[in-house]
Amino acid sequence: AQSVTQPDIHITVSEGASLELRCNYSYGATPYLFWYVQSPGQGLQLLLKYFSGDTLVQGIKGFEAEFKRSQSSFNLRKPSVHWSDAAEYFCAVAPGGGADGLTFGKGTHLIIQP
Amino acid sequence: DSGVTQTPKHLITATGQRVTLRCSPRSGDLSVYWYQQSLDQGLQFLIQYYNGEERAKGNILERFSAQQFPDLHSELNLSSLELGDSALYFCASSANRFGTGVADTQYFGPGTRLTVL
Repeated sequence: AQSVTQPDIHITVSEGASLELRCNYSYGATPYLFWYVQSPGQGLQLLLKYFSGDTLVQGIKGFEAEFKRSQSSFNLRKPSVHWSDAAEYFCAVAPGGGADGLTFGKGTHLIIQP
Repeated sequence: DSGVTQTPKHLITATGQRVTLRCSPRSGDLSVYWYQQSLDQGLQFLIQYYNGEERAKGNILERFSAQQFPDLHSELNLSSLELGDSALYFCASSANRFGTGVADTQYFGPGTRLTVL
């Protein structure tokens, strides 16, 4: 069965600083990987996804992620964070093939310092 | 706005009761998924329906059931409720292009917050 690990429960970053959120997955085949963001009291919004091809994927709100098969990682990055980026971030993996229940990591809570 | 709607937004009920959560997928999406988000378990996949048929099951309890209707809306039924069932329940939908072997993007609704007292 697939699994996702987000090693950092909380991360604090100063506004304007760069950000990297870590995600490691365990899956036997080619994974389909996602990053979602959840603001307080809100649903989940898709930031970006990796299905195949270029291992560096661009998403919304200035986020990008890099798929590294050798490290089983799919880390999320942003060059300069804004106070509005404060939220919970979830990495997820899907098995594909039509039965696509997502397996989520536990999430990383991002705090932005002024 | 993802285009996925869920009702009600909040639900407060007592132990032992039964509730029904409703989800309308994005226009044209054939697959509906249900997820539970709780503090101790995190986000867990419960069940997936595709065009009216059950497609995949996750960590769904026997007390819980779901269905998808001909108009593609879905309902999640939770019965014999326990305190531990208090959680945020999300519905998601996707186009789900079967035959391609590719996972489709899931779009999430705003959720239903269930409180069991």
